[in-house]
Parts: sequence; C-alpha cells; structure tokens
Amino acid sequence: DAKTTQPPSMDCAEGRAANLPCNHSTISGNEYVYWYRQIHSQGPQYIIHGLKNNETNEMASLIITEDRKSSTLILPHATLRDTAVYYCIVFSSFGNEKLTFGTGTRLTIIP
Amino acid sequence: KAGVTQTPRYLIKTRGQQVTLSCSPISGHRSVSWYQQTPGQGLQFLFEYFSETQRNKGNFPGRFSGRQFSNSRSEMNVSTLELGDSALYLCASRWSGDQETQYFGPGTRLLVL
Repeated sequence: DAKTTQPPSMDCAEGRAANLPCNHSTISGNEYVYWYRQIHSQGPQYIIHGLKNNETNEMASLIITEDRKSSTLILPHATLRDTAVYYCIVFSSFGNEKLTFGTGTRLTIIP
Repeated sequence: KAGVTQTPRYLIKTRGQQVTLSCSPISGHRSVSWYQQTPGQGLQFLFEYFSETQRNKGNFPGRFSGRQFSNSRSEMNVSTLELGDSALYLCASRWSGDQETQYFGPGTRLLVL
C-alpha cells in the first residue's frame, strides 16, 4: 500500500511556480521521500529525493517539514512540458527494494 | 551514459501465448526491477533481480517470471497470457548501493487480444 497521500489533480499557469504537496505521516526514520513524474505513456522520470533537509537540483526543489510528515515539490517556472502525473514515494532500501507508487497528482500546466 | 532500454516497445499477442520482454540497465547498474502499469491498478512491483538472483517479489502469479544475466541484462516472461495482462511493463535499474535511485526505461506496451 502506498504510504503517501497526494491531491488527484492540480492546475498551474505556465511560468508560475507549481507547488505539489504530499502527506506521509507514517514515514519512518530511514525512509527517504522520492519524487518521480510520468509523462503520458512514458517511463517514470526521477526528479529529486531527500531525507530531512531541503533539496534542490536543476529540475526542482523539495521542501520537507521538520517533523517529516509532509513535503512539497516545487517546480519554479512551470512549462507546458511539465504536464505529467507526479508521484511522491517514501522508500528505504534497507530490506525492501521496491518502489510503491500511489495514484499521484496529475499536474496540468495551462498556457 | 545511455539510459535503460527495453525491447520491444510494442507487442501484440493473443490469449494463451507467452511473451518475453527484455531490459538492458544503465551501464554499471547491477539491480533491475520490473513493474506493471495498468489504468485500473496503477504501477505495481513485479520483482527485482540483483547479481542474477531474484531478491524481492511482488504479488503476481507464477505465470510471471524473470531472470538476469551476468551482464545485468534482464528478461521477463509471461506464460499463458490473459486479457488482463495487457499493460505497460517497465523496468528500472540502479547501482544497488543504499538509497540508490532507480531509473526507468520507456516501457514495453503489451496488448493481449
């Protein structure tokens, strides 16, 4: 069972920041928060991951609350190509190697 | 570095047939995982192979099997195909160190008629 809760859909205007929330209230101490996205009919694409500190890379920023029970993925300047389903996953490689995907958030970037 | 590749990309089979799908991981990656994605069930884990050994398995019937070769390439086999096996089959590879990120291939879309 997925251990995360995400809104089923969101819209964002092109050029604006897209903020995608994720709740993971049962996350354990050794579990990381991973974000992937899937553009229609393609394989999921890795975006970013973190444990407890905020992270930033060339694609996005990840903000994790101090209690680690929720996080937000930020796409700073959304483009039409960011339209996809975004999955938030909690994962630990210690003894359990599989990623468990929930239903994700369908993000639509509006021109 | 080349990404994960999967062949074939599209496949049409009929009920009762069997199918073999192939996955070539990113160079240097030793772990390959397989996932099935359907509109109704979403993305579900099938199994993971590391160093030619299956080390994790999802809740799928025995008709679904796999193997990994010494060069880390992996194959997945589905025997006695059913209509419900129509899906996008994805493979993902990682180096297999702790917390290593999984990288997905483009998938093989299987249609069972």
